[in-house]
Amino acid sequence: KAGVTQTPRYLIKTRGQQVTLSCSPISGHRSVSWYQQTPGQGLQFLFEYFSETQRNKGNFPGRFSGRQFSNSRSEMNVSTLELGDSALYLCASSPTVSSTDTQYFGPGTRLTVL
Amino acid sequence: GNSVTQMEGPVTLSEEAFLTINCTYTATGYPSLFWYVQYPGEGLQLLLKATKADDKGSNKGFEATYRKETTSFHLEKGSVQVSDSAVYFCALSDRIAGGTSYGKLTFGQGTILTVHP
Repeated sequence: KAGVTQTPRYLIKTRGQQVTLSCSPISGHRSVSWYQQTPGQGLQFLFEYFSETQRNKGNFPGRFSGRQFSNSRSEMNVSTLELGDSALYLCASSPTVSSTDTQYFGPGTRLTVL
Repeated sequence: GNSVTQMEGPVTLSEEAFLTINCTYTATGYPSLFWYVQYPGEGLQLLLKATKADDKGSNKGFEATYRKETTSFHLEKGSVQVSDSAVYFCALSDRIAGGTSYGKLTFGQGTILTVHP
């Protein structure tokens, strides 16, 4: 089975712009979660989606949004980019939203905000 | 809220040395516990997991036992290799009693492991 894929792998944007990141889960997985990884804050949860519904949201401002499509693919959007949004954004998929499921991570999208 | 605390790093060992990375947690419900590993420039890979108390997860020579009484999930390996050099993350996901199960992972801060030949 193909793993979790994320596009693009690298992005460079300037402050004030917006960005959309894409995630394709493992075939058959219906849950997608997003995480932000920075040297200072570590790994922080952004959102969790299941069957096109957002089930859980982390403590991030409203500039961060996401959605899931009927084929389970997911996108996240960050509007009005700030320097502090520079990070590795990781997507993970799992079969369901059970706490016992393993989450499988993609390689990440490295976002740099100048 | 939930939290995970890992031992301070970085950890530097010689090849074939014994490894322990400590992990303790706080959770409001019935957590599942995970160890993930991250190699440079890559995403996270599951190393092992345990979903209930006294379970032992194991993979590639690594082991960890879910200890509810000490709220711990320490990672161990008897003989490390240079190829084990990476960042290791302890994490939990939670299930509330009589309620919802969440896939959301709460991570520790990560421990950098460097193994020298």
